[in-house]
Amino acid sequence: GNSVTQMEGPVTLSEEAFLTINCTYTATGYPSLFWYVQYPGEGLQLLLKATKADDKGSNKGFEATYRKETTSFHLEKGSVQVSDSAVYFCALRGGTDKLIFGTGTRLQVFP
Amino acid sequence: DTEVTQTPKHLVMGMTNKKSLKCEQHMGHRAMYWYKQKAKKPPELMFVYSYEKLSINESVPSRFSPECPNSSLLNLHLHALQPEDSALYLCASSQGRALRENIQYFGAGTRLSVL
Repeated sequence: GNSVTQMEGPVTLSEEAFLTINCTYTATGYPSLFWYVQYPGEGLQLLLKATKADDKGSNKGFEATYRKETTSFHLEKGSVQVSDSAVYFCALRGGTDKLIFGTGTRLQVFP
Repeated sequence: DTEVTQTPKHLVMGMTNKKSLKCEQHMGHRAMYWYKQKAKKPPELMFVYSYEKLSINESVPSRFSPECPNSSLLNLHLHALQPEDSALYLCASSQGRALRENIQYFGAGTRLSVL
């Protein structure tokens, strides 16, 4: 079945550091891929998406590229801020409406 | 506007109580979802309504009863819950068509405590 694997957290960084959160997936066919962010005490917000191979999703300085050859969708940001501290979920959607989430990665950014 | 509104934000109930969670969207979406999220875990899908009909029930206990009165509203009726049902309950909506860009938008959730 479909699944998503994310790197274990927490990821702890200083402000302005480079961020990578790894995400790999297993799926049949050509899923759509998403990154959602959850700030403390809130629901999930869509951060970015990619719907086909080699697509690059980007938003608020975050980027992720859909790599079919490595079945990956790693999240990157060149310079993190304290306000980026949150939990990040990688997710895929196959041929149905069902979203498959990874376990989430907590990011902590210190000034 | 990509807003999904959930009420109440917080709910405390006893194991013998009956309560309901409400979710509303005005984006014209035809698919609506209930998720349960425990602390430090990803959301787990409970139910999906597509065009106001229940299309997915992820083997959820009958003490959780979903209802979709119309295309903008989704309720979750709660009865005889257990303490382990305490969690954040998230509602989401999407266009509901088989599109690759079919994005789910989430509400802020209802934090439920069962005593």
